[in-house]
Amino acid sequence: GNSVTQMEGPVTLSEEAFLTINCTYTATGYPSLFWYVQYPGEGLQLLLKATKADDKGSNKGFEATYRKETTSFHLEKGSVQVSDSAVYFCALTLNSGGYQKVTFGIGTKLQVIP
Amino acid sequence: EPEVTQTPSHQVTQMGQEVILRCVPISNHLYFYWYRQILGQKVEFLVSFYNNEISEKSEIFDDQFSVERPDGSNFTLKIRSTKLEDSAMYFCASSLGTGNSPLHFGNGTRLTVT
Repeated sequence: GNSVTQMEGPVTLSEEAFLTINCTYTATGYPSLFWYVQYPGEGLQLLLKATKADDKGSNKGFEATYRKETTSFHLEKGSVQVSDSAVYFCALTLNSGGYQKVTFGIGTKLQVIP
Repeated sequence: EPEVTQTPSHQVTQMGQEVILRCVPISNHLYFYWYRQILGQKVEFLVSFYNNEISEKSEIFDDQFSVERPDGSNFTLKIRSTKLEDSAMYFCASSLGTGNSPLHFGNGTRLTVT
């Protein structure tokens, strides 16, 4: 079956530190990969996505590259801010004629301290 | 930007009572989904809905659950007889269903069963 494995948190960083949140996946077929973010008290927001191997998704200073050879989609940001404190979910979908079922990782809580 | 909206944001109910969680998907989207997140745990797929019928449902989505699109704009999740373990955040999502269009999530309804 399909699954997503991501590092468990919480991850605590000082402001302006470099962030990496690891994510690896197992899938039958060729998935699309996503990072979703959940800010405190809010819903899930799409942060970035990549739909094929070697694609790089980026948004708000975050980046992730679809690595088929290592089945990974690690999230990185060069300099985190306090406002980045949230839970980050790695996810995949396998498109089947328009219908997509998202498989989520467990989520990694990031806390950025001033 | 269009949003998926969910009401209420928080619902408290007694065990055994029926609850209806409401969602208004993005208007031109064709696929609709319910997910849930038990506190501190993974976001789990419940059900997907397309063309007025269920496309797929998970093991969690037993006979106590039902979904409906009663009027072409709302998308509801009904739990007939709530149990304590139904306490969770319930997320509605919708997608266009074309190519690799991502899911757009609502802010969720926190259901507390006492």
